Amino acid sequence: NAGVTQTPKFRVLKTGQSMTLLCAQDMNHEYMYWYRQDPGMGLRLIHYSVGEGTTAKGEVPDGYNVSRLKKQNFLLGLESAAPSQTSVYFCASSYPSEGDLYHTIYFGEGSWLTVV
Amino acid sequence: GQNIDQPTEMTATEGAIVQINCTYQTSGFNGLFWYQQHAGEAPTFLSYNVLDGLEEKGRFSSFLSRSKGYSYLLLKELQMKDSASYLCAVRDRDRDDKIIFGKGTRLHILP
Repeated sequence: NAGVTQTPKFRVLKTGQSMTLLCAQDMNHEYMYWYRQDPGMGLRLIHYSVGEGTTAKGEVPDGYNVSRLKKQNFLLGLESAAPSQTSVYFCASSYPSEGDLYHTIYFGEGSWLTVV
Repeated sequence: GQNIDQPTEMTATEGAIVQINCTYQTSGFNGLFWYQQHAGEAPTFLSYNVLDGLEEKGRFSSFLSRSKGYSYLLLKELQMKDSASYLCAVRDRDRDDKIIFGKGTRLHILP
């Protein structure tokens, strides 16, 4: 069982370049999330999705766009990368359900992005 | 908005007990998570509390008081492998049930 898979795992970009991070989950989860993690800042929510075809802004959405065209995939795009976007990016998914106390969220392994 | 506070760093001795506190403010509380994260790895699930009280799972326990906006993670019989960051996170039903994390507590275990 693959769980949550992120690609690529490592990437170096030049300022102004664009790229897309792909997240795929095989657990039929409704909710998917993109977080970034920086030293001393913890995990900050960039964008999230509560179902196929829907997206919403999190705490730090500026400079990023997302799409959820298929339930199993959640794409994070950087249109014009900036050094401030150097970070570790984590994708996560969950399936809230009534009567299920363990609404656990599952994380991918992370994507290390450096913008020079 | 949401505000989640936890200590930045803590140090404890192998074999001892440590308690990591978390306080939160949120309008539509719908559950609190604790996650463990080793350096360079993804967070892994430890516990979930939605009702007041103590949840015990082996060496780890988590407590919740909704009226006080307070939780703690208790780690017993500390082992060197418990050196990691511990993340407190809250789900908010007034905000699409999205999950917001605190900044994490880095726990150092001394031999």
